[in-house]
Amino acid sequence: NAGVMQNPRHLVRRRGQEARLRCSPMKGHSHVYWYRQLPEEGLKFMVYLQKENIIDESGMPKERFSAEFPKEGPSILRIQQVVRGDSAAYFCASSQMDTNTGELFFGEGSRLTVL
Amino acid sequence: KQEVTQIPAALSVPEGENLVLNCSFTDSAIYNLQWFRQDPGKGLTSLLLIQSSQREQTSGRLNASLDKSSGRSTLYIAASQPGDSATYLCAVEGNKLVFGAGTILRVKS
Repeated sequence: NAGVMQNPRHLVRRRGQEARLRCSPMKGHSHVYWYRQLPEEGLKFMVYLQKENIIDESGMPKERFSAEFPKEGPSILRIQQVVRGDSAAYFCASSQMDTNTGELFFGEGSRLTVL
Repeated sequence: KQEVTQIPAALSVPEGENLVLNCSFTDSAIYNLQWFRQDPGKGLTSLLLIQSSQREQTSGRLNASLDKSSGRSTLYIAASQPGDSATYLCAVEGNKLVFGAGTILRVKS
């Protein structure tokens, strides 16, 4: 049973380009969470999704960032017109149940570098 | 707004020592608390999950306690080994999982 799979593991973009980060949850998990870890900082919640629905996006910047979790395929975190401050590790987690009872399992992360 | 604090920020101990990592949180209305381990450049590995109705969990040399009313948890590591060197993260779950900044542990051989 494969764990949470994230790709790419490393992504380099120039300012103004788009970054797309993908996350395939563990088999049987329908809840996906995205977190961002800035250098020397803890993980910050960004967004919580279930299949085809955004449940909580209170941690998402209002502009340039969007997330989806379609009925088929992985969850996608999309960052448009990237800036240097977007450089961070982006982690995806999945759970089988909703947030108050389900243990979260994390992927290895996608490390974005903006030049 | 939930805030999670971890003390100490960094810890260096000789191999074989028993050690305690501390975590405190401001809002006691949580569903559970998790301790994670993160190795440099890697993802998070879940170590222990304590439901709000529980007071402690044990796994091998690790023991985590939870005092929900006082907003505290401790992670006890017995007989530390160099392989335990990593960043240890505490996270509490209310309507979302909120992380502390972590404790960087170095166990010297």
